[in-house]
Amino acid sequence: GAGVSQSPSNKVTEKGKDVELRCDPISGHTALYWYRQSLGQGLEFLIYFQGNSAPDKSGLPSDRFSAERTGGSVSTLTIQRTQQEDSAVYLCASSSSPLGSGETQYFGPGTRLLVL
Amino acid sequence: AQRVTQPEKLLSVFKGAPVELKCNYSYSGSPELFWYVQYSRQRLQLLLRHISRESIKGFTADLNKGETSFHLKKPFAQEEDSAMYYCALSPWGGDKLIFGTGTRLQVFP
Repeated sequence: GAGVSQSPSNKVTEKGKDVELRCDPISGHTALYWYRQSLGQGLEFLIYFQGNSAPDKSGLPSDRFSAERTGGSVSTLTIQRTQQEDSAVYLCASSSSPLGSGETQYFGPGTRLLVL
Repeated sequence: AQRVTQPEKLLSVFKGAPVELKCNYSYSGSPELFWYVQYSRQRLQLLLRHISRESIKGFTADLNKGETSFHLKKPFAQEEDSAMYYCALSPWGGDKLIFGTGTRLQVFP
């Protein structure tokens, strides 16, 4: 079946502009995660959605970052007033249930964001 | 603090040589440990997890709680093993993954 998809695949924006990144998880997956992959920094957890529970936002680096998940499926990560340090690859992942239950996270191809 | 350390940014070996990618972690409880791999132009994918005790593509990893390590090993490297490897942990019964900075493995012919 179809895997996790993300759009756009690449985004170039000017400093100060807002951007929206989209994630379509695997159908039926209740858990959805966003990570950021910066050069030399590895992958950094941003936010986690599980069903109808309140999201775990503990990894969001500033209040310029927000995310929502509509209808328990598609998620949008929004970055307001982008800064050059926001340049990174933003990865989305989904799993059929919380990771701790033995499930696997499946990753999307990522959105490469460049802030000029 | 929860942390995963991969001390080597780059590891280069010749085909047929043994490979060991190091991973150390710090976590106060009992985490679950993973290795993820990203081949060129492909998405990140799970290679193996310690609770499965599997050997995937000839790779194995043993959790050493005393040394808080989860090194990835393969006795005979192949060219197709060239990729970026990430070690990660998840708090037991938890959700998010905490990743190391990754090690690029290059296997020369």
